[in-house]
Amino acid sequence: EIVLTQSPVTLSLSPGERATLPCRASQSVSNHLAWYQQKPGQAPRLLIYDTSNRATGVPARFSGSGSGTDFTLTISSLEPEDFAVYYCQHRRTFGQGTRLDIK
Amino acid sequence: EVRLVESGGGLVQPGGSLRLSCAASGFTFGRYWMSWVRQAPGKGLEWVANIRHDGNDENYVDSVWGRFTVSRDNAKNSLYLQMNSLRAEDTALYYCARVLDAYDYCDYWGQGTLVTVSS
Repeated sequence: EIVLTQSPVTLSLSPGERATLPCRASQSVSNHLAWYQQKPGQAPRLLIYDTSNRATGVPARFSGSGSGTDFTLTISSLEPEDFAVYYCQHRRTFGQGTRLDIK
Repeated sequence: EVRLVESGGGLVQPGGSLRLSCAASGFTFGRYWMSWVRQAPGKGLEWVANIRHDGNDENYVDSVWGRFTVSRDNAKNSLYLQMNSLRAEDTALYYCARVLDAYDYCDYWGQGTLVTVSS
């Protein structure tokens, strides 16, 4: 069973800064990795699928990269609404999430 | 507009049963795999089950195998999760989600229905 590790658990940054959120897989997942954003009291929202494809309506400041076992979600310049929890996913496995907090 | 609305959650005693429903609209329901994903209070996301577009293939996380059954009625645009022999660790917000493609990405989610298993 593949395990997805997201570290750090919490990342504190300021609006306007660049955010890089890593996700590491315990074995190769090729490019089959997705990213979700979840805000308090809301359902998750698909941001990125197949490593780098933005889902419908996702702003261009969100991008994904990586392959094999190491992946990154990048937010080029943080907006106030971007502070949330982010999860990576491969098939039926989710990472434990990274909380992006305002510094 | 794609819309998914879950219902059927509530408080149930350990060992009890519940049936969750998810009403879908805004897309051709019968063309998509569908999933259930849950989130325990204050915790992360856990994939629970999925079902093929025609209902002829189902998959479950090991922890619910033999206790939960996913089904669908494409004529009613509805997804179901029958949960039996419920345990305290099944307490969670249960989301239904539309599956985007073969890799289980979920592109649309409902708002969830809360299941609490407690005596």
